[in-house]
Amino acid sequence: EAGVVQSPRYKIIEKKQPVAFWCNPISGHNTLYWYLQNLGQGPELLIRYENEEAVDDSQLPKDRFSAERLKGVDSTLKIQPAELGDSAVYLCASSSSGGEETQYFGPGTRLLVL
Amino acid sequence: GQSLEQPSEVTAVEGAIVQINCTYQTSGFYGLSWYQQHDGGAPTFLSYNALDGLEETGRFSSFLSRSDSYGYLLLQELQMKDSASYFCAVIRDDKIIFGKGTRLHILP
Repeated sequence: EAGVVQSPRYKIIEKKQPVAFWCNPISGHNTLYWYLQNLGQGPELLIRYENEEAVDDSQLPKDRFSAERLKGVDSTLKIQPAELGDSAVYLCASSSSGGEETQYFGPGTRLLVL
Repeated sequence: GQSLEQPSEVTAVEGAIVQINCTYQTSGFYGLSWYQQHDGGAPTFLSYNALDGLEETGRFSSFLSRSDSYGYLLLQELQMKDSASYFCAVIRDDKIIFGKGTRLHILP
């Protein structure tokens, strides 16, 4: 069974540029999460989807961040415009509905904003 | 509050046993999960406790005391490959909140 797939694995951009990350969850997992992880810190939830509905986006900086999961499978996270402080690892995870205690993480996208 | 406390670093010797503690202060607590993350890798689920007591999975065990708002991860027969960061995560009101992680150093 394929795990959570993310792309790109690495991204280097200049500040004020847009950037997008893509995630394909484990087949059959209705719940999808986007996290931000800074060096030496734990993952911090940005947004959680149940199918195509964003059920928790309280920690998403909506002035520059957006996300979508139009068909309830793949998801895209976008930053526009990127700032220096956005440099971090962006992790995508998925779980079965009601199974938030057991999440399967993708390898992450390492973003460097110059 | 939603704070989670775990030591930032722990050092142990190969073959030994190590315990990583986690205390939490949160309302609506439902359970405690543990994840392992190697440098440059993705967090990997290890265990979950919703009820008091010990859960054993091979060399790893996890314990929870709801009355003490405390849990720990126990790693036995340490191997060099266990060098990683370990995160406790509280499940609360359908949310999961991760601690800052404990970096485990293993000496040969």
